[in-house]
Amino acid sequence: DAGVIQSPRHEVTEMGQEVTLRCKPISGHDYLFWYRQTMMRGLELLIYFNNNVPIDDSGMPEDRFSAKMPNASFSTLKIQPSEPRDSAVYFCASTQGQGEGANYGYTFGSGTRLTVV
Amino acid sequence: RKEVEQDPGPFNVPEGATVAFNCTYSNSASQSFFWYRQDCRKEPKLLMSVYSSGNEDGRFTAQLNRASQYISLLIRDSKLSDSATYLCVVSNFNKFYFGSGTKLNVKP
Repeated sequence: DAGVIQSPRHEVTEMGQEVTLRCKPISGHDYLFWYRQTMMRGLELLIYFNNNVPIDDSGMPEDRFSAKMPNASFSTLKIQPSEPRDSAVYFCASTQGQGEGANYGYTFGSGTRLTVV
Repeated sequence: RKEVEQDPGPFNVPEGATVAFNCTYSNSASQSFFWYRQDCRKEPKLLMSVYSSGNEDGRFTAQLNRASQYISLLIRDSKLSDSATYLCVVSNFNKFYFGSGTKLNVKP
């Protein structure tokens, strides 16, 4: 298995531009998560999907952020317009899910390092 | 109050030392517990799950204390390669809450 695949690895963009981050989860994992990591705030959950349906987007900072999962093998996180404070590493993760007695961890992608100048 | 709290460290220890990290969580209904390891500029990777009875994986021992709502990680005979940030993770209904991590530096 190739693991969780994210693209691009690095993105440098100018303030005001649209940024699209992409993620391919592990096949068979029915949960997908988008996280953001900064030195100041650590790992923050932005949104997660179950079977392609957004379940909890309470962590999405504001309307400039949107996420979609059109099918089981692909998700996007879009920032429009981008701002310098959006600079962070964005991680995608997937898992088989949880349940009583289940104890599966997440598998993370390598992340996208976003710099907005 | 944060869902998960950890001492950020850093913990600076010599090779061969034993080191322990603790982590507290606020939601008594939390279901699953994990330790992740994150190397500099890399993604977090699952180190081990934490089971109610405690569990061991080589030099690593994890324990859960539900009454006091904390989990611990013990590393014996630490190696230079153990230098990393260790993240405590608590799961509740498919949402994972990450601690801010404890940085470990193992020195020769």
